[in-house]
Amino acid sequence: AQSVTQLGSHVSVSEGALVLLRCNYSSSVPPYLFWYVQYPNQGLQLLLKYTSAATLVKGINGFEAEFKKSETSFHLTKPSAHMSDAAEYFCAVSASTGGFKTIFGAGTRLFVKA
Amino acid sequence: DGGITQSPKYLFRKEGQNVTLSCEQNLNHDAMYWYRQDPGQGLRLIYYSQIVNDFQKGDIAEGYSVSREKKESFPLTVTSAQKNPTAFYLCASSPEKSSGNTIYFGEGSWLTVV
Repeated sequence: AQSVTQLGSHVSVSEGALVLLRCNYSSSVPPYLFWYVQYPNQGLQLLLKYTSAATLVKGINGFEAEFKKSETSFHLTKPSAHMSDAAEYFCAVSASTGGFKTIFGAGTRLFVKA
Repeated sequence: DGGITQSPKYLFRKEGQNVTLSCEQNLNHDAMYWYRQDPGQGLRLIYYSQIVNDFQKGDIAEGYSVSREKKESFPLTVTSAQKNPTAFYLCASSPEKSSGNTIYFGEGSWLTVV
């Protein structure tokens, strides 16, 4: 079975500051991991995904995430926040074998202050 | 443009009424999904379908029904048995029945009980 925990339902940063959104996962088989972003009143869109290739994954809009098996983590980072990054971010996990359901975390809302 | 179209964007339901949310995709994806989104709870899977004329219950299927008569269409009916239907509903699809595939989302539909 898979599960994902996002630490912090809200994160606030200043424009230009580092963005760090935390995600820990649990999986009985090697996982595939995803970060999605949701802007207000819209659906989700993929930021990046890890599928057992490079552990450092680069995504759109300057975001990246690092898969750390020893820590069961897949934290999302961006060196310098922009006002347009304000949105809700979802971490998700699916199993690499034995099933295809994707499990989503509860989401972290990112606020960016001018 | 290829994508997922949900309609209507906003829908109001009276107590005791059934309502149907439309979802159409032109991405030629095999799998389709319905999720419910409530504040602070992330996405919860209602139903999913991996192939035409077949579908499975997700985690919160009670009070909902679906059909998959065509590959491109996966409508969701919210029945009067659903006691708390006010939420944001997201339709989604993915290319294959295997894990690791990106899920593509529609823009969502807001349902409010009046």
